[in-house]
Amino acid sequence: DAKTTQPPSMDCAEGRAANLPCNHSTISGNEYVYWYRQIHSQGPQYIIHGLKNNETNEMASLIITEDRKSSTLILPHATLRDTAVYYCIVSLRHLFYNTDKLIFGTGTRLQVFP
Amino acid sequence: KAGVTQTPRYLIKTRGQQVTLSCSPISGHRSVSWYQQTPGQGLQFLFEYFSETQRNKGNFPGRFSGRQFSNSRSEMNVSTLELGDSALYLCASSLESPGEQYFGPGTRLTVT
Repeated sequence: DAKTTQPPSMDCAEGRAANLPCNHSTISGNEYVYWYRQIHSQGPQYIIHGLKNNETNEMASLIITEDRKSSTLILPHATLRDTAVYYCIVSLRHLFYNTDKLIFGTGTRLQVFP
Repeated sequence: KAGVTQTPRYLIKTRGQQVTLSCSPISGHRSVSWYQQTPGQGLQFLFEYFSETQRNKGNFPGRFSGRQFSNSRSEMNVSTLELGDSALYLCASSLESPGEQYFGPGTRLTVT
């Protein structure tokens, strides 16, 4: 089962910031938070990941609470092309010793409107 | 750098047949994972291969199998197809960890 809880849907006006929340209250100390999105009929796209510090890249920002039990993905200026299902996942990161796998939940369907 | 490629993109098979899907990972990526996506069950992990070894497996029947070649290309096979196997099959490759994966466009399989 997925270790995360996300709202099923959200709306956001174009040009505004989209803030997508995720609860992961059972996250362990060595698990990372990953975000992916899936635009209709395409393969999921990696967005960003983090462990405990806030992270930012060209696509988004990731804010992780101090207790690591929840996080928020921020799309600073949402566009119509950001309409997609956004998945929050927790996973171990080590390549060579890892037996973990990505468990996708149901995600949040973000609708950006004009 | 070329992305993950999957062939074929679309496939129609009949119940009872078998099918083989192919995935070419991003150059240099050694981990390849497979997923099944259906409207009812969402994205479900099938298995992961690393250096030609299956390292992890999801909860699917033995009719679903896979393999990875020395050049990291991977195939998955589904035998004795059932109507419920109709789905989008996605392949993903990763360099540093199974968490940071890059997905292909998928193969849409329809079983009639």
